[in-house]
Amino acid sequence: EPEVTQTPSHQVTQMGQEVILRCVPISNHLYFYWYRQILGQKVEFLVSFYNNEISEKSEIFDDQFSVERPDGSNFTLKIRSTKLEDSAMYFCASKGGAGSGTQYFGPGTRLLVL
Amino acid sequence: QQQVKQSPQSLIVQKGGISIINCAYENTAFDYFPWYQQFPGKGPALLIAIRPDVSEKKEGRFTISFNKSAKQFSLHIMDSQPGDSATYFCAASMSSGKLVFGQGTRLTINP
Repeated sequence: EPEVTQTPSHQVTQMGQEVILRCVPISNHLYFYWYRQILGQKVEFLVSFYNNEISEKSEIFDDQFSVERPDGSNFTLKIRSTKLEDSAMYFCASKGGAGSGTQYFGPGTRLLVL
Repeated sequence: QQQVKQSPQSLIVQKGGISIINCAYENTAFDYFPWYQQFPGKGPALLIAIRPDVSEKKEGRFTISFNKSAKQFSLHIMDSQPGDSATYFCAASMSSGKLVFGQGTRLTINP
C-alpha cells in the first residue's frame, strides 16, 4: 500500500540553525501539506502546496518557513533560523484530488530545538 | 469560525463497551469530516470520514453520526477493544483542502 514517508524521524538542532525536513508523498498525489503538533496538543495546519506553489498558509508559517518540491518526488519544509518554540512533531500529508478529501499522513519528524 | 471543538479530552471505557467522542463546528463551509486515530509517536491515520449529505456512516465497529442542523458529529466505537486505545482527532475541511483538527481525545480501553 502506498504511503507517505518522512526523513529524518528525529532531528535535534541548536536554536538559530537551519533545518530541512523531507517528505516523499504518495506518488500520484498532487496536493501536499505540512502540519505540526506540539507535544500533547492538536495537529495544526502550516501550509498547502499545489502546482509548485503555496495554496494557503497559516499565521504560524512566517518568513522563517519555506517549502519546496525540488524534484518529482520530494517535498521539503525548511526552517531558516529555528526557535525553541519550533520544537514539535512535523507531519507531511498528501492528497490525490482537488477539494476536500482524504489526506494521508506520514509518520512525522520529531524536531527538538535546544 | 475555523475551530472544531472536541470532547471529552480523555475517556476510559471497559472492554466491550461503547466509546463516544463528540465534535462541533461553526463554519458551514466545511464539507468533509474525517476522524483520525493516532498512536504514540506515529502520524494520524484516517479511520473513517463523512460528508454532510448523509447522517450516518458505519465501517465495521466504527460509526460517525452527523447532525448538520446542530453542526455536530460524533464517533462511536462499538465493542471497544484494548487495541483501540489511542488518541482520536476529529477534523473538518473545506474546498481549500486544509484540515482543521479538534483538540483530541485520549481513549483508554480497560481490559
